Amino acid sequence: KAGVTQTPRYLIKTRGQQVTLSCSPISGHRSVSWYQQTPGQGLQFLFEYFSETQRNKGNFPGRFSGRQFSNSRSEMNVSTLELGDSALYLCASSFTSGRSDNEQFFGPGTRLTVL
Amino acid sequence: AQSVTQLGSHVSVSEGALVLLRCNYSSSVPPYLFWYVQYPNQGLQLLLKYTSAATLVKGINGFEAEFKKSETSFHLTKPSAHMSDAAEYFCAVSYAGGTSYGKLTFGQGTILTVHP
Repeated sequence: KAGVTQTPRYLIKTRGQQVTLSCSPISGHRSVSWYQQTPGQGLQFLFEYFSETQRNKGNFPGRFSGRQFSNSRSEMNVSTLELGDSALYLCASSFTSGRSDNEQFFGPGTRLTVL
Repeated sequence: AQSVTQLGSHVSVSEGALVLLRCNYSSSVPPYLFWYVQYPNQGLQLLLKYTSAATLVKGINGFEAEFKKSETSFHLTKPSAHMSDAAEYFCAVSYAGGTSYGKLTFGQGTILTVHP
């Protein structure tokens, strides 16, 4: 089985621009979670989608949004980029949602640099 | 609030020595606990998880962890370090139901260095 894939792997943007990141979960997985990883704040939960519905959201401003498609692929969008948005964005998939013993399988991440 | 504390942002051991990475959680309800490893420029890989079936959990690559409720700890150990174990390790917690869907709360990470 192919793992979680994320595209692109690297992105460079300038302040004020917007960006869309893509995540394809493991085949059969219907839950996708997104995390932001920075040296200062560590790994922080952004949101989780299941069956095209956002089930949970972390403490991030409204500039961060996401969606999930019927094939479980997910995208996240960041509008009006700020320097502090520079981070590694990780996507994780799991078979289902609502079970906290679910294993989450992580993709390699998208490294976003905001200049 | 859910929180995880990893004691020691950097741990250095010699090859063949015991590896001990510490993790404490704060919770008034039983959590589910995970250890992940991250190699440079890669995502996270699950080492092991605790889901209340057994307090001593064995994972991949010779790692194991013991859940101690009285100490609210879930420390990660490996009897003999290998050079390939050098990486960053994260302890994470999740809780059943409520606002916990799909959410892992991570510790700050511990960078493990293995010296020849």
